[in-house]
Amino acid sequence: DSGVTQTPKHLITATGQRVTLRCSPRSGDLSVYWYQQSLDQGLQFLIHYYNGEERAKGNILERFSAQQFPDLHSELNLSSLELGDSALYFCASSVAQGRTDTQYFGPGTRLTVL
Amino acid sequence: GDSVTQMEGPVTLSEEAFLTINCTYTATGYPSLFWYVQYPGEGLQLLLKATKADDKGSNKGFEATYRKETTSFHLEKGSVQVSDSAVYFCALSALRSGYSTLTFGKGTMLLVSP
Repeated sequence: DSGVTQTPKHLITATGQRVTLRCSPRSGDLSVYWYQQSLDQGLQFLIHYYNGEERAKGNILERFSAQQFPDLHSELNLSSLELGDSALYFCASSVAQGRTDTQYFGPGTRLTVL
Repeated sequence: GDSVTQMEGPVTLSEEAFLTINCTYTATGYPSLFWYVQYPGEGLQLLLKATKADDKGSNKGFEATYRKETTSFHLEKGSVQVSDSAVYFCALSALRSGYSTLTFGKGTMLLVSP
């Protein structure tokens, strides 16, 4: 158990809909990262928050957005969903944002768009 | 940009065989290097890491040495077990504008038979 929690575990929805994925980091960690894992793209970095502020964006679509709240939990919002958005979405947390900091991953949310 | 290249799988071994999974990277500056493992239906777990050249990371019988001259971080284990069957990801973390994110390889599936 990494100490990072994600809800829900599974999500099934229809095209065009909007969903929210939630992540609680390990106690004491200030950084939260979101990743998407799909068979064709592999593991792709989406976005990074540090202590409530957005710090880096990766291959995140404009239909996707995220935020980190004062209690440090984070939410990833996916809107106007398409079939291709079906994937595993992982959240990770780390103490800070340095290159030596280990990122600890949650169990993931499996999103299926029908 | 940063990139990680891993050998393609699946790697199929018998129990107690020697394991090597090759990983090479491209990055400017001095990245940290990581191996993560993903068991079926689970999130990623940190296996080991190395933060500077010639460092050796080790955990649960797995080892990898940070080789700057060959830009490599090959994963080895002397005697694999059936329980080691999983997908292994090599990753690097490099500092960019004051923050760092993980860049992953595509993953190598390991299948160990009794």
